[in-house]
Amino acid sequence: NAGVTQTPKFRVLKTGQSMTLLCAQDMNHEYMYWYRQDPGMGLRLIHYSVGEGTTAKGEVPDGYNVSRLKKQNFLLGLESAAPSQTSVYFCASRRGLAGHEQYFGPGTRLTVT
Amino acid sequence: AQRVTQPEKLLSVFKGAPVELKCNYSYSGSPELFWYVQYSRQRLQLLLRHISRESIKGFTADLNKGETSFHLKKPFAQEEDSAMYYCALLIGGADGLTFGKGTHLIIQP
Repeated sequence: NAGVTQTPKFRVLKTGQSMTLLCAQDMNHEYMYWYRQDPGMGLRLIHYSVGEGTTAKGEVPDGYNVSRLKKQNFLLGLESAAPSQTSVYFCASRRGLAGHEQYFGPGTRLTVT
Repeated sequence: AQRVTQPEKLLSVFKGAPVELKCNYSYSGSPELFWYVQYSRQRLQLLLRHISRESIKGFTADLNKGETSFHLKKPFAQEEDSAMYYCALLIGGADGLTFGKGTHLIIQP
């Protein structure tokens, strides 16, 4: 099993450009999450999904959209990138609720100039 | 809203010395508590969770509900323990984890 994978690994965008980050998991997990990691801030939840076709807002959802058209994939979109979105983005998934571990992807390092 | 506090941004200790990384949380219910570790430029990995009460890589953590703490301890630090450590809380349901801001642990030779 590859676990949780993310593409791309790195990306540089100019302000106003758009892009989509892809998260894929091969563990048949129901729940998927997008976090951003910023120095001194820890990880903060952007959006999450409790199953195929569902999405919900997390702590810092503004400026991002997500879609979960297939159970194994969770896409994070930036419609008009801003320098404040420079961050490392981590995707995570977990099988179920209580007691189930979240598995993290390797991260995508995004720079917006 | 729930919150996780890790008061030390940076903790530096010598190899062989004891280590304690502090974590306090605020939540009125009964959360699940976790410690995640992130080695340099790698993904987060689960280190410990309070419900399993196990010891991983020599680390232990006890949930103290009275003090709302979940401190991470190791009696003898090793150089390979150098990493970022995050305390995280899960309040149940499908919500994601609430993370502390992390503690950068440096083990000096």
